[in-house]
Amino acid sequence: KQEVTQIPAALSVPEGENLVLNCSFTDSAIYNLQWFRQDPGKGLTSLLLIQSSQREQTSGRLNASLDKSSGRSTLYIAASQPGDSATYLCAVSGYGGATNKLIFGTGTLLAVQP
Amino acid sequence: ETGVTQTPRHLVMGMTNKKSLKCEQHLGHNAMYWYKQSAKKPLELMFVYSLEERVENNSVPSRFSPECPNSSHLFLHLHTLQPEDSALYLCASSQVVQGYIDTQYFGPGTRLTVL
Repeated sequence: KQEVTQIPAALSVPEGENLVLNCSFTDSAIYNLQWFRQDPGKGLTSLLLIQSSQREQTSGRLNASLDKSSGRSTLYIAASQPGDSATYLCAVSGYGGATNKLIFGTGTLLAVQP
Repeated sequence: ETGVTQTPRHLVMGMTNKKSLKCEQHLGHNAMYWYKQSAKKPLELMFVYSLEERVENNSVPSRFSPECPNSSHLFLHLHTLQPEDSALYLCASSQVVQGYIDTQYFGPGTRLTVL
């Protein structure tokens, strides 16, 4: 059974710092991995999707990497801003079945202090 | 702005009430999902509809009853809920090709409180 873990559970940094969020998964047979952002009381916004054949994806100040063999992904945020404050979730999608489902981690709550 | 809308945004109901949550997607996707998000727990997948057929029912109690009348609309009918059912209920949609999920797009959620 796939399990997704995110460390740390919470993180507070001063504005301008570069930071890394970690995600690990127990079954390396994944189809893709996604990073989402969730603002308080809101739905999820997809940030980056990495296919299993890819090593990384970049969007603006965000860079996500994937190491399938070790069951790890990282989300790198450069030059953090107060507007980056949110909960960041990673989720993996596996192979097989009529419709594959996403398995989510519990998230990392990020606070960027001005 | 997301192409997935949910109503109502907030709902307070007693344990004997019957209510329904509504989700609508404007993205032309062929799959829709209900998730439950409780405090301190990962998002839990409840139901998946693909091409308007329910393809996943994740051991959800029968007091939750989904309905997908067409590819753009998804409902979650609620009756005789328990206080532990209080949570944020999220709807999502995606395009599924040969069984594989593309990016899922989420609605803003309905915050449900059961008294």
